[in-house]
Amino acid sequence: QKEVEQNSGPLSVPEGAIASLNCTYSDRGSQSFFWYRQYSGKSPELIMFIYSNGDKEDGRFTAQLNKASQYVSLLIRDSQPSDSATYLCAVIRYGQGNLIFGKGTKLSVKP
Amino acid sequence: DGGITQSPKYLFRKEGQNVTLSCEQNLNHDAMYWYRQDPGQGLRLIYYSQIVNDFQKGDIAEGYSVSREKKESFPLTVTSAQKNPTAFYLCASSISRGNRNQPQHFGDGTRLSIL
Repeated sequence: QKEVEQNSGPLSVPEGAIASLNCTYSDRGSQSFFWYRQYSGKSPELIMFIYSNGDKEDGRFTAQLNKASQYVSLLIRDSQPSDSATYLCAVIRYGQGNLIFGKGTKLSVKP
Repeated sequence: DGGITQSPKYLFRKEGQNVTLSCEQNLNHDAMYWYRQDPGQGLRLIYYSQIVNDFQKGDIAEGYSVSREKKESFPLTVTSAQKNPTAFYLCASSISRGNRNQPQHFGDGTRLSIL
């Protein structure tokens, strides 16, 4: 089982809809959870991070964490064509500093 | 402006040649990291450093070497022992603050290809 798993997509949503991106992780010792957005040919850009169970909102983005189910998700409300990118989920285990990445989910927002 | 600068943007390596990728940050971050990304893949950790003069191997360190002589700088050398070096190389940095892992921020990356 891979440490961090994401559906590779592509996930296609119409403009204005809610995009839901999901990520599962295998290590229960994982402590910190991050979502990065990566446009084609560019480096990853931090979107959200979450440490505690529940929801964390920042503008159109909401990160949701459920440690019991080992599941973290990213919701994008009012999706825009400019949100079209690959979204990378990453986790850090307790006591370690390095990120473990999933392979990413490609999101396409259609006008 | 504060940030992470990687150079060069593009680099070509000849057979048997060592090449060095530069990474400099002026964010006063303690920790620095090197990742490799292959097409359609997630990022994989090559080396990381939490403090000056100390660094640790990541998951795919073979064929690579690093140094951390200054807080601001963490160069990566791709040696001739790395037989498949073609990839997108990303440098990142973060604050070290207790046991709460802080977000990592990335430079713009270096694309390395074989000639």
